[in-house]
Amino acid sequence: DTGVSQNPRHKITKRGQNVTFRCDPISEHNRLYWYRQTLGQGPEFLTYFQNEAQLEKSRLLSDRFSAERPKGSFSTLEIQRTEQGDSAMYLCASSLGLAGVYQETQYFGPGTRLLVL
Amino acid sequence: QKEVEQNSGPLSVPEGAIASLNCTYSDRGSQSFFWYRQYSGKSPELIMSIYSNGDKEDGRFTAQLNKASQYVSLLIRDSQPSDSATYLCAAEEFGGYQKVTFGTGTKLQVIP
Repeated sequence: DTGVSQNPRHKITKRGQNVTFRCDPISEHNRLYWYRQTLGQGPEFLTYFQNEAQLEKSRLLSDRFSAERPKGSFSTLEIQRTEQGDSAMYLCASSLGLAGVYQETQYFGPGTRLLVL
Repeated sequence: QKEVEQNSGPLSVPEGAIASLNCTYSDRGSQSFFWYRQYSGKSPELIMSIYSNGDKEDGRFTAQLNKASQYVSLLIRDSQPSDSATYLCAAEEFGGYQKVTFGTGTKLQVIP
């Protein structure tokens, strides 16, 4: 399977615990995005990487959230001191990221569903 | 605040009919527009992308773009029960790195 993969697919945690999610993009894709989606809403942009550089973070991304893409391949999203409001589907997407090309398709992974009790 | 607006539905159509889904966007600088289909509990999958004014057809799907009216639509011909899903409209923000804003989605129900 050469699509975007995410792990784990489901995570249940207690309030106050830390969680980390992993995203493996399509192998030749340079751009990687994280989104959060709650019930009845569209995906909300969280952050974006071009290779290993994190170029944009949403105001939605509080200090408890951190994302990395250390070698420009896979990415991790960590949430510290989880709150019940963090319960959502966390989606990762990737795109080719060719220089000077902006009309690109983002391909989504299956998502990680987080439930904070 | 850049916004993408969609009617949340549900939009119910009989099998074999044409389903018409609509979307408006606020950022006049947006250049690229996308329609994603999302089944319940699954991630979005791309149906169509459109960059120029006019129509773009792909099989049973036709995307329409009118930049002057800031309006995007998706027509699904010969609707099938398997088309029942939430359809997300998305617009790429002008200015660089392909930040995409999604609408809340329209739920489509195709009645057999």
